[in-house]
Amino acid sequence: AQTVTQSQPEMSVQEAETVTLSCTYDTSESDYYLFWYKQPPSRQMILVIRQEAYKQQNATENRFSVNFQKAAKSFSLKISDSQLGDAAMYFCAYRSGSSNTGKLIFGQGTTLQVKP
Amino acid sequence: GAGVSQSPRYKVAKRGQDVALRCDPISGHVSLFWYQQALGQGPEFLTYFQNEAQLDKSGLPSDRFFAERPEGSVSTLKIQRTQKEDSAVYLCASSLASSGINEQFFGPGTRLTVL
Repeated sequence: AQTVTQSQPEMSVQEAETVTLSCTYDTSESDYYLFWYKQPPSRQMILVIRQEAYKQQNATENRFSVNFQKAAKSFSLKISDSQLGDAAMYFCAYRSGSSNTGKLIFGQGTTLQVKP
Repeated sequence: GAGVSQSPRYKVAKRGQDVALRCDPISGHVSLFWYQQALGQGPEFLTYFQNEAQLDKSGLPSDRFFAERPEGSVSTLKIQRTQKEDSAVYLCASSLASSGINEQFFGPGTRLTVL
């Protein structure tokens, strides 16, 4: 069974600085997708960035980028120029490329605090 | 309202009561998912629908949990004889399809508290 691990329960960053959130996963599959979701307090979860495992190029979305290391099964999220609105819980998630359900397997989450 | 909506947003139940949680997915989305999120934890998969067919219910924790999507749109998650351990946020998500890198769009969740 696939698992996702986020080893940092909490992280803190100064406004305008850069922070990296860690995620590792375990799978025997070669075809899969990885996601980072953001869940602000009392608000709904939204997708931040996604990566196909077959792509070597790291995904980037504005201030958000990933460092995808397939051999190491690592998928970290880098947030540049952190803003107060980035404060939230961040979840790393895995989805099998061969499953017919498309269910997401989430990590435990990392709470990000942004200090003004 | 283009997003996924859920109702009620908050539900308090006495132990042993039955509850029904509703999810309205984005129009046209074939796939619908239910997740359970305990406080301070990541969501855990409960069940999946493709249109009206429930293709995966492997995550349902017991036979007290039942989900349906009779017309392939609105879905209801029912919990019978609620227990304290059922207290959690129940999230619904929908996507155009389950395959590929299709994004799952989440609703705001229903926070269930069982006393």
